[in-house]
Amino acid sequence: GDSVTQMEGPVTLSEEAFLTINCTYTATGYPSLFWYVQYPGEGLQLLLKATKADDKGSNKGFEATYRKETTSFHLEKGSVQVSDSAVYFCALGANFGNEKLTFGTGTRLTIIP
Amino acid sequence: DAEITQSPRHKITETGRQVTLACHQTWNHNNMFWYRQDLGHGLRLIHYSYGVHDTNKGEVSDGYSVSRSNTEDLPLTLESAASSQTSVYFCASGQLREQYFGPGTRLTVT
Repeated sequence: GDSVTQMEGPVTLSEEAFLTINCTYTATGYPSLFWYVQYPGEGLQLLLKATKADDKGSNKGFEATYRKETTSFHLEKGSVQVSDSAVYFCALGANFGNEKLTFGTGTRLTIIP
Repeated sequence: DAEITQSPRHKITETGRQVTLACHQTWNHNNMFWYRQDLGHGLRLIHYSYGVHDTNKGEVSDGYSVSRSNTEDLPLTLESAASSQTSVYFCASGQLREQYFGPGTRLTVT
């Protein structure tokens, strides 16, 4: 079945450092890929998405590129801020017509001033 | 603004009791979902619904039930609460595989 594997956390970085959180997936067909973010005490929020191979999703300085050849959707940000401290989830949405998402286990990110 | 709300936000109950968690959305989405979040497991799907009177089991549905009598609400019922059901529960609604999450309910079963 479909699955998502995320980089183990927690990840701790200094402010203005470069961020990469790895995500790889297993799926049949042509899934859509998502990154969600969860701030302390809140529900998940959609951060960015990509619906087909080579698409790049971007939002709030974060980017991720849908790489079908490596089945990856790594999250990157060039210069992180303290406010980026949160838990990040990679997710996969299967073929059109199936609205369910499969989530990774999440990566906790802490940014130190 | 459209939103999705959950109640209660915190609940403590005893083993064996029936518990119902409420979820209400004003997005007018047909699709609604219930997840549980546990350390080391991420989010796991409990039940979901694609419209009124439609309900489907997710990967961890044992001990839980849902009903969908209107578009806005999808209550989650724990028939006989067990300590293994201590968790944080999230409701979501969405379309085109984008989901919008509620703030969560922290349930403790003692």
